[in-house]
Amino acid sequence: QQQVKQSPQSLIVQKGGISIINCAYENTAFDYFPWYQQFPGKGPALLIAIRPDVSEKKEGRFTISFNKSAKQFSLHIMDSQPGDSATYFCAATRDYKLSFGAGTTVTVRA
Amino acid sequence: GAGVSQSPSNKVTEKGKDVELRCDPISGHTALYWYRQSLGQGLEFLIYFQGNSAPDKSGLPSDRFSAERTGGSVSTLTIQRTQQEDSAVYLCASSFRLAGGRDTQYFGPGTRLTVL
Repeated sequence: QQQVKQSPQSLIVQKGGISIINCAYENTAFDYFPWYQQFPGKGPALLIAIRPDVSEKKEGRFTISFNKSAKQFSLHIMDSQPGDSATYFCAATRDYKLSFGAGTTVTVRA
Repeated sequence: GAGVSQSPSNKVTEKGKDVELRCDPISGHTALYWYRQSLGQGLEFLIYFQGNSAPDKSGLPSDRFSAERTGGSVSTLTIQRTQQEDSAVYLCASSFRLAGGRDTQYFGPGTRLTVL
């Protein structure tokens, strides 16, 4: 069964808007939560990651919010740009084996 | 420097045939992973190699799947007697394992396998 649930499956946002992707997990042993960005025909690439002892991490226009008690985490893309159009995967791990969400396809309209 | 490379980029085969997928990891990376990405699904872990340790094969879906890593570098994923449900993108990743840390997995572009 899928250990990480991701929503929505897809979203469309206007240029300059905010994209929000949500993930939830069950395994409390997970201690590292990365987000990957994938463009068509390419492999996923690490975007940003967080540990559960931190509630928020920001890198440029990308922010992860983490709620340990709710076992939920989310990615916020601020000031969305057309170049952000891609599929985003959340993941979780406690060692090397990444458990991925199903992915969210983000389309940014100019 | 060069990233993870995979070959072939696309493979079309007939049901029942065997296929071999190749992965060249980033030079110096000690860990190598195979994942499967089916349409509309996230990535599914298949197998993990780390140095000379026994591989973690816990994600292989059936005994038709096998993988090896020669000389701690190049890896081959073999699927025997392919079935239509094996159609997917097979992704390889490599990393430099840090003791007690969290290494970044670098992914190749994948091999798209289509079983007719």
